[in-house]
Amino acid sequence: AQSVAQPEDQVNVAEGNPLTVKCTYSVSGNPYLFWYVQYPNRGLQFLLKYITGDNLVKGSYGFEAEFNKSQTSFHLKKPSALVSDSALYFCAVRLGDGGATNKLIFGTGTLLAVQP
Amino acid sequence: EAQVTQNPRYLITVTGKKLTVTCSQNMNHEYMSWYRQDPGLGLRQIYYSMNVEVTDKGDVPEGYKVSRKEKRNFPLILESPSPNQTSLYFCASSLSRDRTVYGYTFGSGTRLTVV
Repeated sequence: AQSVAQPEDQVNVAEGNPLTVKCTYSVSGNPYLFWYVQYPNRGLQFLLKYITGDNLVKGSYGFEAEFNKSQTSFHLKKPSALVSDSALYFCAVRLGDGGATNKLIFGTGTLLAVQP
Repeated sequence: EAQVTQNPRYLITVTGKKLTVTCSQNMNHEYMSWYRQDPGLGLRQIYYSMNVEVTDKGDVPEGYKVSRKEKRNFPLILESPSPNQTSLYFCASSLSRDRTVYGYTFGSGTRLTVV
């Protein structure tokens, strides 16, 4: 079955330290991978995506993610966390089959808490 | 501004009283979808629409209806709401045939409480 897993419900990190939010996936075919962020009382906002090409993808607000095909992972990273990065982060995957379907499968979300 | 607009943002209702959550997008997107977000379960798709007059069930369609009479609007209808439909709902849209899609554009959400 196609799925996306975010193994950590919550990640705690001190401001200024590097952060990693983990995501693994299981899909057939080539995956299109996304990270979204949800701030309190807001909708999901696009952060970055991997479609093809360089395995290291850079996105908004200084975030980046590394696609690892052998480990079927797409971990979100940032070299230096800010308190304002505290939010709920969702990993999502879409099949890259070029067809009309656009269904995204979402992980369960990881709450990132950055302490001052 | 390109956006997906949902209304209302917050709604408290009683069991069995029909309600509609509206969703409208101004990006001429073909594809629209409804998700519900519950703690520990992430986002689960309720219904989606590939284009006008084309709708299909997602993963958790029971208790919901949708319609797509116009390209820009995709309302979510709860004919007889029950407490287990208390949740945070998101509408989303995207271009159907853009291979380099940015995923979806999401609305700001509707927090529904059924008592």
